[in-house]
Amino acid sequence: DAGVTQSPTHLIKTRGQQVTLRCSPISGHKSVSWYQQVLGQGPQFIFQYYEKEERGRGNFPDRFSARQFPNYSSELNVNALLLGDSALYLCASSLALAGASNEQFFGPGTRLTVL
Amino acid sequence: AQSVAQPEDQVNVAEGNPLTVKCTYSVSGNPYLFWYVQYPNRGLQFLLKYITGDNLVKGSYGFEAEFNKSQTSFHLKKPSALVSDSALYFCAVRGPTSGTYKYIFGTGTRLKVLA
Repeated sequence: DAGVTQSPTHLIKTRGQQVTLRCSPISGHKSVSWYQQVLGQGPQFIFQYYEKEERGRGNFPDRFSARQFPNYSSELNVNALLLGDSALYLCASSLALAGASNEQFFGPGTRLTVL
Repeated sequence: AQSVAQPEDQVNVAEGNPLTVKCTYSVSGNPYLFWYVQYPNRGLQFLLKYITGDNLVKGSYGFEAEFNKSQTSFHLKKPSALVSDSALYFCAVRGPTSGTYKYIFGTGTRLKVLA
């Protein structure tokens, strides 16, 4: 089975632009989470979606938004890009929202560079 | 509030020697603890988890972790390090926060195994 896939792999944008990142979860997984990993730091939680509904939001500004589609894939949108948005954006999928076996499986990430 | 601390930015160990990567946590209720490894330009790979049961948890690639409730620690260990174990290691705690089950990651520990 394919793992979590993300596109694009790399992206270069300029300040003020908008970007859309895409994620396809493992087949059968209904929950998708997004994380931002700035160089030298651990991943920071941005959003969690389950069954197409937002179930959690981290401490990020409203410039960040996301959605989940009926096939459980997800998009992360960032508007009005700032230099500080440069990071590796990780998508993770899991079978369900809760449960002891609910480890998350991460995609390879999208490297966003804002110039 | 839940938190995870990885007190060492980097750990150096000679190949063949045992290794320990430290993690302490703070969480209300029962902790769900995880270790992930990240290789350069890659996403996070799941190593092992503690949910309940035996305090010594065995995971992938010969890694194990010891849960110590009194010391609120979850140190990652391996009896004999390999050069290929050199990577960035993240400890994470998961628990109910505002109705979500997001992961909270530590800042990471870079492991260097010297030949």
